[in-house]
Amino acid sequence: EVQLVESGGGLVQPGGSLRLSCAASGFTFSSYWLTWVRQAPGKGLEWLANIRQDGSEIYYVDSVKGRFTISRDNAKNSLYLQMDTLRAEDTAVYFCGRLQFRSTWVLDYWGQGTLVTVSP
Amino acid sequence: DVQMTQSPSSLSASAGDRVTITCRASQSISTYLNWYQQKPGKAPKLLIYAASSLQSGVPSRFSGSGSGTDFTLTISSLQPEDFATYYCLQSYSAPWAFGPGTKVDIK
Repeated sequence: EVQLVESGGGLVQPGGSLRLSCAASGFTFSSYWLTWVRQAPGKGLEWLANIRQDGSEIYYVDSVKGRFTISRDNAKNSLYLQMDTLRAEDTAVYFCGRLQFRSTWVLDYWGQGTLVTVSP
Repeated sequence: DVQMTQSPSSLSASAGDRVTITCRASQSISTYLNWYQQKPGKAPKLLIYAASSLQSGVPSRFSGSGSGTDFTLTISSLQPEDFATYYCLQSYSAPWAFGPGTKVDIK
């Protein structure tokens, strides 16, 4: 069974940093692209970043480019999101996800999410 | 960047109703369009991928259609467990983008 479990969320002050982790199991982690998506309280979903199997290709949404860094450790079956210079508008539940190409790109599995609150 | 819109933003329906949700892309995305269902406090769940392919385990009352810029999610006979928010996602080009969502609630 595919499982993705996020951790590392919490309360952080504006301007601070936080590192989220996503532990994967139930599939060959090193064979898949992965993604981060977030959802502000009461709002819609926002795609944040994708990372290729070996980390050689990475894409970000403009709102986090230069502040957030997606990375992975295939030996540990783990995905990360380093978040720096955090702002109040980064307050959200952060989801990790697995991507699969089935004639088109599909985000087929999601974690349960971890809440990040940016507040003084 | 590709922008996604959805309509309606919300709708009220009764069990047994046929429901149609539309998603539109600001430029052609071929069939790189996925549909998700999200219930409060839960992660989204994949319903439809590649615009019209039903994800394994998803009831056949859900169907998707479209290509290019215009896409539709149809629920043929709404069930009580279908009351949720529905999102489309374009995966054609980075930055990927979700539609703003359609909330389906009980009339």
